[in-house]
Amino acid sequence: DTEVTQTPKHLVMGMTNKKSLKCEQHMGHRAMYWYKQKAKKPPELMFVYSYEKLSINESVPSRFSPECPNSSLLNLHLHALQPEDSALYLCASSQEPGLKTYEQYFGPGTRLTVT
Amino acid sequence: AQSVTQLGSHVSVSEGALVLLRCNYSSSVPPYLFWYVQYPNQGLQLLLKYTSAATLVKGINGFEAEFKKSETSFHLTKPSAHMSDAAEYFCAVSLKYGNKLVFGAGTILRVKS
Repeated sequence: DTEVTQTPKHLVMGMTNKKSLKCEQHMGHRAMYWYKQKAKKPPELMFVYSYEKLSINESVPSRFSPECPNSSLLNLHLHALQPEDSALYLCASSQEPGLKTYEQYFGPGTRLTVT
Repeated sequence: AQSVTQLGSHVSVSEGALVLLRCNYSSSVPPYLFWYVQYPNQGLQLLLKYTSAATLVKGINGFEAEFKKSETSFHLTKPSAHMSDAAEYFCAVSLKYGNKLVFGAGTILRVKS
């Protein structure tokens, strides 16, 4: 099973709301990722978790707060977002790179609209 | 720093024709290279990967890519296009020891009947 699931599929939120995106994988992967994809653009890396610890933060604003409660789950907490944060948020997972790089498996994404 | 350049933001082919999507990479060390496909309103699906084992890499759905170090290229090909191949295709590069993936700008493939 190479499936990464994401919920919700769509989310509309106001600028004062707090919401969370959820990602789950059961492939035994120990690296998990959040990407942001604007329309007609490639995905941009936001965060990387390795063995449930944050290993890469690509200078993402603090209104995005990632969390990795266990090796299968990854959350992205959203607070006080701006309309320009509207995008497709993709989660991915992979085996943890050690002596090689592994391919990343992507979920279907959450389409976020900030009003 | 690594980067990839995809030549042609849009490519149009007739059904049954050869598909050629171009990708050139820039990396100071031997890279790992990937091709992903994205259908509208969906996530990314891995087509194939180059990890230095073989220069000609076969992937899913009849796609293949050839790694050419002298040309710093990793072009994606398919002998005969199907209507179902219409999608956006992304080339991506990663360092050999790392999990940071950098994507090209993408190429939208249109298949005409």
